Amino acid sequence: RKEVEQDPGPFNVPEGATVAFNCTYSNSASQSFFWYRQDCRKEPKLLMSVYSSGNEDGRFTAQLNRASQYISLLIRDSKLSDSATYLCVVGDSGGYQKVTFGTGTKLQVIP
Amino acid sequence: ETGVTQSPTHLIKTRGQQVTLRCSSQSGHNTVSWYQQALGQGPQFIFQYYREEENGRGNFPPRFSGLQFPNYSSELNVNALELDDSALYLCASSLGLQGGTEAFFGQGTRLTVV
Repeated sequence: RKEVEQDPGPFNVPEGATVAFNCTYSNSASQSFFWYRQDCRKEPKLLMSVYSSGNEDGRFTAQLNRASQYISLLIRDSKLSDSATYLCVVGDSGGYQKVTFGTGTKLQVIP
Repeated sequence: ETGVTQSPTHLIKTRGQQVTLRCSSQSGHNTVSWYQQALGQGPQFIFQYYREEENGRGNFPPRFSGLQFPNYSSELNVNALELDDSALYLCASSLGLQGGTEAFFGQGTRLTVV
């Protein structure tokens, strides 16, 4: 089983749609969780951290379910500019800052 | 702009050669991590340097090595290049070792081994 698993997509959705991505992780001791966004041929950039209580940033909502070991990202009212690959990232609690990336989910928002 | 810069941006090498990639971390950041991202895959953790010492390593062979300098900039060296080493190499800088610290990525070095 991969440490961090995501559906690679692609997800093709019309503008204005709501889309949800899920991510599962295998290490129950993981302590930190993030969603990164990566545009084509660019570096990953932090979209948002994910907290146990869930958090929202504008049209983006992230949720963490520790019992089931999954993280979700919800995007409401999709924009063309949301087209990108979304990477689920999980951080260990070890003595160094090891983070493990999922393979990413590709989103294409269609006019 | 993240303040993390990598050089060169693109590189073509022949199988068997050696390569050195460079990374300047964001001002004030003392931790640099290196990742390999193959086409269509997520970044894979190579190793991390904290205050000039290797502080964690992923599943990469010893021919992948690195350095961190007193100014916290870093190098990734790969010996005996193989075709499968062709990838985007990313460095990320952060402050400290706490797992919740945000990492800022450079734009990457795209290495092609022929």
